[in-house]
Amino acid sequence: GAVVSQHPSRVICKSGTSVKIECRSLDFQATTMFWYRQFPKQSLMLMATSNEGSKATYEQGVEKDKFLINHASLTLSTLTVTSAHPEDSSFYICSARAGAVDTEAFFGQGTRLTVV
Amino acid sequence: KQEVTQIPAALSVPEGENLVLNCSFTDSAIYNLQWFRQDPGKGLTSLLLIQSSQREQTSGRLNASLDKSSGRSTLYIAASQPGDSATYLCAVRPEGFQKLVFGTGTRLLVSP
Repeated sequence: GAVVSQHPSRVICKSGTSVKIECRSLDFQATTMFWYRQFPKQSLMLMATSNEGSKATYEQGVEKDKFLINHASLTLSTLTVTSAHPEDSSFYICSARAGAVDTEAFFGQGTRLTVV
Repeated sequence: KQEVTQIPAALSVPEGENLVLNCSFTDSAIYNLQWFRQDPGKGLTSLLLIQSSQREQTSGRLNASLDKSSGRSTLYIAASQPGDSATYLCAVRPEGFQKLVFGTGTRLLVSP
């Protein structure tokens, strides 16, 4: 299957700082990218959907000013957690899709964010 | 609102057994259903994708079926191995939406 690379895999930051997570599609052009959040022993919750060159669509309850998403090219999307707090500590996973809605979604390796 | 449920939540079997994981969804209006594997602290690995017009898909020891009208899918794992131990997630893509809606997952442990 296609490869989605997410970086970093782990990050620890201080409260009040910002953290950027990158998601790259290595061997295909991702027209749509998704950002999910996963709490321990729970399933994935979609945060936002982004299409290349346009603003991200956020799910209800997700603060767009706190979780900044940029999808500037067909191979790169970034999630920036601004002014991070301990409650933002979580596992963040990106996903990418190459084409129409019936095509397969591929996932990155995830980023474990710990805010201290 | 689409809801996806997986049963059982956890399963422990000895090596060599055949097993079935279940997934149910409340709204049959879906584009497709996808099964994933997640190892602890890792991302998701796509196992099988079944389009709404299909009944099943096979890959190696894995076979996934889809009964869209009843809102059910099963993942069959033949001759289980310790390396199959992981959390298995199913997800549906509702019609009219780009996103996937995930189930709660089944944690599988295969003992040597």
